[in-house]
Amino acid sequence: GNSVTQMEGPVTLSEEAFLTINCTYTATGYPSLFWYVQYPGEGLQLLLKATKADDKGSNKGFEATYRKETTSFHLEKGSVQVSDSAVYFCALSFWNAGNMLTFGGGTRLMVKP
Amino acid sequence: DADVTQTPRNRITKTGKRIMLECSQTKGHDRMYWYRQDPGLGLRLIYYSFDVKDINKGEISDGYSVSRQAQAKFSLSLESAIPNQTALYFCATSPSPGGGNTEAFFGQGTRLTVV
Repeated sequence: GNSVTQMEGPVTLSEEAFLTINCTYTATGYPSLFWYVQYPGEGLQLLLKATKADDKGSNKGFEATYRKETTSFHLEKGSVQVSDSAVYFCALSFWNAGNMLTFGGGTRLMVKP
Repeated sequence: DADVTQTPRNRITKTGKRIMLECSQTKGHDRMYWYRQDPGLGLRLIYYSFDVKDINKGEISDGYSVSRQAQAKFSLSLESAIPNQTALYFCATSPSPGGGNTEAFFGQGTRLTVV
């Protein structure tokens, strides 16, 4: 079956530090890949997505590139802010097979001033 | 108003009680989903529905049932709640395939505690 593995947290960074959260996946075929973010007390929001190999998703300074050869979709941001503190989920789905999402375990990011 | 609304937001219930979690959406999407979030496990799919007459089990459907009352409403029931069903529950919607749109939209979650 499909699966997503992401680095365990929590990840604690100082403001303006560089962020990487690793994500790898196992799937048959070519899924769409996503990063969702969950701020405290809220639901999940789509942060960025990529639908085919070598696509780069970007939003709010975050970026991730769909790497088919390494089955990875690592999340990066050059300079984090306190407001980026949240839980980040990597996920995959197949749009032509129901759009059901398979999630990684989530990575909590804490950014200190 | 939120596009995907879940009620209640928080609930404490006793073991053996029946409980229903409700979800309604204003996005006009055909597809609706129920997920459960547990620490370290991410979200796991309980049930999903592609339209009013189409209900499917997900990865962890045991102990749960659902009802799709209308395109906009999708309820999750625990017939006899047990403590290991304590979790954060999310409803989500997505459009039917068309142009490869794959984004899902989530409600704010229902925190359920079974004591």
